[in-house]
Amino acid sequence: AQRVTQPEKLLSVFKGAPVELKCNYSYSGSPELFWYVQYSRQRLQLLLRHISRESIKGFTADLNKGETSFHLKKPFAQEEDSAMYYCALSGLSNTGKLIFGQGTTLQVKP
Amino acid sequence: SQTIHQWPATLVQPVGSPLSLECTVEGTSNPNLYWYRQAAGRGLQLLFYSVGIGQISSEVPQNLSASRPQDRQFILSSKKLLLSDSGFYLCASRVNTEAFFGQGTRLTVV
Repeated sequence: AQRVTQPEKLLSVFKGAPVELKCNYSYSGSPELFWYVQYSRQRLQLLLRHISRESIKGFTADLNKGETSFHLKKPFAQEEDSAMYYCALSGLSNTGKLIFGQGTTLQVKP
Repeated sequence: SQTIHQWPATLVQPVGSPLSLECTVEGTSNPNLYWYRQAAGRGLQLLFYSVGIGQISSEVPQNLSASRPQDRQFILSSKKLLLSDSGFYLCASRVNTEAFFGQGTRLTVV
């Protein structure tokens, strides 16, 4: 079964501290992995995808197929990073379905 | 990029009343369309998806139904609402890799 697990509901850090939002997945095959973010009063939007191997707003995420993980990391958190973060998985079918985790609220304190 | 229009933003309906939430997409054609429900502590749950006009797939058994009468129109409906249908409903569109989301509808069944 396809499943995405984000074990932390809330992650609270101080500004300048490193951040790691955990994501583990279950999928029989080679999925696409994404991180979506929802800032206060804004729409859910794509942050980054594993196939791009890019850094967005200082965030990176590496797909570890051995551990079936796709953790989101940032070396120095900023207050504007405070938001809800969702890890998502998509298979290779033409449906393009995105399966989301439960979400993690990141709170960056001054 | 795509723009997803979703309305109404908030809705309060009595138990047993019908429901119709509408979603329209701008800026693309032939998208895959999705309805999600966002519940506290449960993340984003996929309810329905559609890969074309008149093609609807249901992900979970429920009191709701969906229809796609036009390429860029996706409707979520119910004949008789239950208290358990309360929640935050999100429409999404996906062409290629990135998914775009509407602003959501907060439904409260009383």
